[in-house]
Amino acid sequence: QSALTQPPSASGSPGQSVTISCTGTSSDVGGYNYVSWYQQHPGKAPKLMIYEVSKRPSGVPDRFSGSKSGNTASLTVSGLQAEDEADYYCSSYAGNNNIFVFGGGTKLTVL
Amino acid sequence: EVQVVESGGGLVKPGGSLRLSCATSGFSFNDAWMSWVRQAPGKGLEWVGRIKSQTAGGTIDYAAPVKGRFTISRHVSKNTLYLQMNSLETEDTAVYYCTTMYMAAFDYWGQGTLVTVSS
Repeated sequence: QSALTQPPSASGSPGQSVTISCTGTSSDVGGYNYVSWYQQHPGKAPKLMIYEVSKRPSGVPDRFSGSKSGNTASLTVSGLQAEDEADYYCSSYAGNNNIFVFGGGTKLTVL
Repeated sequence: EVQVVESGGGLVKPGGSLRLSCATSGFSFNDAWMSWVRQAPGKGLEWVGRIKSQTAGGTIDYAAPVKGRFTISRHVSKNTLYLQMNSLETEDTAVYYCTTMYMAAFDYWGQGTLVTVSS
């Protein structure tokens, strides 16, 4: 199964909004509402930020939001803060053979 | 508080074997769906395999690159998840994370354990 496609980098100034895309196919992103997003700071374990396309776990700021249209999911970070600078990964359930796929990751830089 | 702690990583030669452990606490391990996810140095995340809860049938699924070489198992009374890795290849070099799962997402992650496959 091919990885989901994410832009390698994204950036924004403090207070601005930035959106990261995650493109798959009808067999994964487009076929199920099981897209999740993870934040990973250098040397740390990933942290779940969004699950089921748009739901936030307890403790995740509402500045983080998720959406999906067709085969593309998106993560939007509003009101950018310095601590949001990290790598972000999307993931989707892929159904066939019960597998999960990840995107290649996007490095978010807060200017 | 949910805790997930991996151990067992190290240096192994190509073709060798290694067993990783994942000690858990703070939740009902018997009812948990669990996964292993790995990350090669400087690379992205890659799903390795998942085991469903006992109540959901305990089905185990693997990613294509590890199928037939890796085996996931759980010891319920020890609240511990295992990853037996055989016929290791240099491409298996990575930090291996143990995660709990919720609604097809990987919600709690351990700190990871590094596996290096090199001669």
